[in-house]
Amino acid sequence: GAGVSQTPSNKVTEKGKYVELRCDPISGHTALYWYRQSLGQGPEFLIYFQGTGAADDSGLPNDRFFAVRPEGSVSTLKIQRTERGDSAVYLCASSLGLTGYEQYFGPGTRLTVT
Amino acid sequence: DQQVKQNSPSLSVQEGRISILNCDYTNSMFDYFLWYKKYPAEGPTFLISISSIKDKNEDGRFTVFLNKSAKHLSLHIVPSQPGDSAVYFCAASVRGGSEKLVFGKGTKLTVNP
Repeated sequence: GAGVSQTPSNKVTEKGKYVELRCDPISGHTALYWYRQSLGQGPEFLIYFQGTGAADDSGLPNDRFFAVRPEGSVSTLKIQRTERGDSAVYLCASSLGLTGYEQYFGPGTRLTVT
Repeated sequence: DQQVKQNSPSLSVQEGRISILNCDYTNSMFDYFLWYKKYPAEGPTFLISISSIKDKNEDGRFTVFLNKSAKHLSLHIVPSQPGDSAVYFCAASVRGGSEKLVFGKGTKLTVNP
């Protein structure tokens, strides 16, 4: 079946602009995660949704970052007033939402802030 | 403060030999450990996992060993194949909550033909 998809695959934006990154999880997966991977680092957790609600947003770096999942499926990560330090690959993952089920990752969106 | 550490940025082995990738963690609350494999321009792919109640889990050519007292785990690949060349990430989580993964920085494995 189809895996996790993310759009766009690449996004270049100017400092100060607003961006939206989209994630389509695997059908039937109730849990959805956003991670951010900077160059030379492992992925870092941003936010976790169980259904429509953000159950854990402890990884969001500041209030410029916000994510929604209004119908419990597709999620959008929104970044306001982008900064050059926001440049990274943003990864989305989904899982069945039960303990011990692995997270399946999408290919990521590479965000470059100039 | 890195809670999951992979101290070897790279590893090179000959085809057919054993690859051993190491990982250390500091948070004693972690009770579930995973290895992910990543090719360029792709997302991480789940490889193998181990619960803290076990000390070994095997899946084909891949075996993960967990030493809780040393807070250390390792991934063994036998025999190594050129297609195994990728970046390997160690990850840990606390089960029952969000199960968010805490990743190491990764080890780039190169298997030479």
